[in-house]
Amino acid sequence: DAGVTQSPTHLIKTRGQQVTLRCSPKSGHDTVSWYQQALGQGPQFIFQYYEEEERQRGNFPDRFSGHQFPNYSSELNVNALLLGDSALYLCASSLVGDSRGDGYTFGSGTRLTVV
Amino acid sequence: AQKITQTQPGMFVQEKEAVTLDCTYDTSDQSYGLFWYKQPSSGEMIFLIYQGSYDEQNATEGRYSLNFQKARKSANLVISASQLGDSAMYFCAMREDLTGRRALTFGSGTRLQVQP
Repeated sequence: DAGVTQSPTHLIKTRGQQVTLRCSPKSGHDTVSWYQQALGQGPQFIFQYYEEEERQRGNFPDRFSGHQFPNYSSELNVNALLLGDSALYLCASSLVGDSRGDGYTFGSGTRLTVV
Repeated sequence: AQKITQTQPGMFVQEKEAVTLDCTYDTSDQSYGLFWYKQPSSGEMIFLIYQGSYDEQNATEGRYSLNFQKARKSANLVISASQLGDSAMYFCAMREDLTGRRALTFGSGTRLQVQP
């Protein structure tokens, strides 16, 4: 049973460019959440998608946008990249309404470096 | 306001000894869940243990136990019989609902190093 798959694993971009990160949720999950983890810090919630709509959003600017596809996979897009966007981006999937502690599964992340 | 506080940036423990990682939280909700995750250098967040706010018993999962003190708003992780493979970052997190629909709020983490 495949867990959460994220691609690419590493990425280097230049300031001002745009980037797209991808996430395939765990089989049976229908909700995808994205987190940004800066070096030495805990993950910060970006947004959550369910039924192809953004359901919740953290304190991130509009440069951060996303999409969820009918097969529940998701993309995170970041426009006009800043040096401060360098971070590990984690995707987590879950099944809506499943409150179990182990019902929230993380991928290994995409490490984005902005130069 | 910071909702999850982990005051130990780094901890050392000898192999086979027990260690306690501290976590305090702040919420006005009555219904919430508390989580602990392990993050090795590979980056993946590995779920360790969960405690619901209405759970009367402290959660246990193998060598992991959660010391839940609701009145003090603390949820400390206890790892018994530490192993070299336990060396990693550990994060405490909270979800302010019991439906599973809300996002997690994480603390800043504790780096645990297990020494032989």
